[in-house]
Amino acid sequence: DTAVSQTPKYLVTQMGNDKSIKCEQNLGHDTMYWYKQDSKKFLKIMFSYNNKELIINETVPNRFSPKSPDKAHLNLHINSLELGDSAVYFCASSDSFHTDTQYFGPGTRLTVL
Amino acid sequence: QKEVEQNSGPLSVPEGAIASLNCTYSDRVSQSFFWYRQYSGKSPELIMSIYSNGDKEDGRFTAQLNKASQYVSLLIRDSQPSDSATYLCAVKSGAGSYQLTFGKGTKLSVIP
Repeated sequence: DTAVSQTPKYLVTQMGNDKSIKCEQNLGHDTMYWYKQDSKKFLKIMFSYNNKELIINETVPNRFSPKSPDKAHLNLHINSLELGDSAVYFCASSDSFHTDTQYFGPGTRLTVL
Repeated sequence: QKEVEQNSGPLSVPEGAIASLNCTYSDRVSQSFFWYRQYSGKSPELIMSIYSNGDKEDGRFTAQLNKASQYVSLLIRDSQPSDSATYLCAVKSGAGSYQLTFGKGTKLSVIP
């Protein structure tokens, strides 16, 4: 059983388009995260939700909007895609009582042409 | 600005040798320290966590923490080709914090 899943795995799109990435976890965790990993492998936190409430919102363009319909899901919508948005986006989850152990999804490789 | 610094490598070691990976951090109030392993094209996975000064051993892995020097390291004994991956150091500021700050990772290659 997949613990943290993301769809799609690959996403190729044109500049200016709007796209969404979905994330689901079946671990019963109450905290979820979005990370961006650029071409130099630098992994950086973008957002975090705890019990559907936004708790971390790093300096990210407001073209990026996370949405958490419930504790098991955290989606990422990106408007007006730019070349610099090309990266691998990882979703992760943790238990708020054990936030040290974050479980990562397989990643979504976004390529903006 | 919290920073976590790692030598990007690549670090090459022969099979059976000890691989030593180092990490420094800037935030003095950091309390929790982690090593994640990331194989090429895969997601990061947690391999070690350490919270107190000193050494923590888990199988072939030993994490070392020195808070006074703001330094954490990972030793891999009897390195295997399957250990070839990028190792990410991550730091969390304090109790109740949800945020991990990652270093840029060190790429390790174990040569058979």
